[in-house]
Amino acid sequence: KNEVEQSPQNLTAQEGEFITINCSYSVGISALHWLQQHPGGGIVSLFMLSSGKKKHGRLIATINIQEKHSSLHITASHPRDSAVYICAVTNFGNEKLTFGTGTRLTIIP
Amino acid sequence: KAGVTQTPRYLIKTRGQQVTLSCSPISGHRSVSWYQQTPGQGLQFLFEYFSETQRNKGNFPGRFSGRQFSNSRSEMNVSTLELGDSALYLCASSFEGYGELFFGEGSRLTVL
Repeated sequence: KNEVEQSPQNLTAQEGEFITINCSYSVGISALHWLQQHPGGGIVSLFMLSSGKKKHGRLIATINIQEKHSSLHITASHPRDSAVYICAVTNFGNEKLTFGTGTRLTIIP
Repeated sequence: KAGVTQTPRYLIKTRGQQVTLSCSPISGHRSVSWYQQTPGQGLQFLFEYFSETQRNKGNFPGRFSGRQFSNSRSEMNVSTLELGDSALYLCASSFEGYGELFFGEGSRLTVL
């Protein structure tokens, strides 16, 4: 079992839909990261969370430490949101980053 | 403020050769971490350097090594290349190492 599990693996939605991507982890963490990767490889850090909720524009990230679960929400989705979204956790104690397998999101105009 | 710069962006090597990749972090950042991304294994942590010291290391063979210079620039080296080393190698910098990560565009290595 992977230490970081993401769901769904692939998600296709219509423009304007509300999107939710989930991340579950099994280890103690000091932080959780949501990353966005567009075709071509470049990765952008969207959020770093250790508790609660953060919002940036149309993106919202939440984390429940007790349940070891985080969600990334996108409101009013747009074709430019099409990308791979990756959840990663910083392991408590050794501070190594462990990645989920990613969620490929496609937004259709 | 300039972003994280990785060079070269693309390179092709043959089995048995070695390769050196470079990463220049954002000015003022003291931590540089390296990652390997392949279609089969996804993203995997290689190592992290802070103030010229390797602070963390992932589960990769000794053929993978790195170093960090006094100006925080970092290099990683892969010796005796294997076909399975073909991957996108990404580096990221952060101010203290435990904060937000800023990624470079990556170096895409193809081993023939």
